[in-house]
Amino acid sequence: GAGVSQSPSNKVTEKGKDVELRCDPISGHTALYWYRQSLGQGLEFLIYFQGNSAPDKSGLPSDRFSAERTGGSVSTLTIQRTQQEDSAVYLCASSLGGFGYGYTFGSGTRLTVV
Amino acid sequence: AQKVTQAQTEISVVEKEDVTLDCVYETRDTTYYLFWYKQPPSGELVFLIRRNSFDEQNEISGRYSWNFQKSTSSFNFTITASQVVDSAVYFCALSREIDNYGQNFVFGPGTRLSVLP
Repeated sequence: GAGVSQSPSNKVTEKGKDVELRCDPISGHTALYWYRQSLGQGLEFLIYFQGNSAPDKSGLPSDRFSAERTGGSVSTLTIQRTQQEDSAVYLCASSLGGFGYGYTFGSGTRLTVV
Repeated sequence: AQKVTQAQTEISVVEKEDVTLDCVYETRDTTYYLFWYKQPPSGELVFLIRRNSFDEQNEISGRYSWNFQKSTSSFNFTITASQVVDSAVYFCALSREIDNYGQNFVFGPGTRLSVLP
């Protein structure tokens, strides 16, 4: 596609439920990143994919968070047993190149845990 | 540890004024990149400019210019003749290499710019 696509754009879920957030990167972009943007914490790195592998997942806040990428393309971020502190905007970005290349971000998924 | 500081939380200017957004960074890396991103109300982060740690030449691109000074660890961004459409949150970011193919961005807290008509 022309840009990075994320779905859903908004998600409201009850505390304790599992959610899946989807990211469809720009075709051909081998690097894919997930970030979280919340009022108190700003923009936080979660995980980096190169192809289908994740060389750096140091930003995942707990073992309730996991992510996978298939076919070197679509990625899914899963949050199990959601908590209210998980409420945030989850941003996905992809990049054609490596170090020094700018990211192209999606519009994000706004997750609200009630 | 890497850190990016944007001391200005919010700035308001009147249209056509020039405005400078400040960014100060901390890193022990000798090779790194600095970026500015814009986040308009739509929410999507938009790439604006990039500078690597070996190039301190300051440039102008249209209404945008930047001032990179390694001696003070600063990477300031200036918008000349601001317009209402420039209203957004601006993020300064520092990148470090993860492997040969990826990088990790550390973002500053952002500066909210409001350009009033």
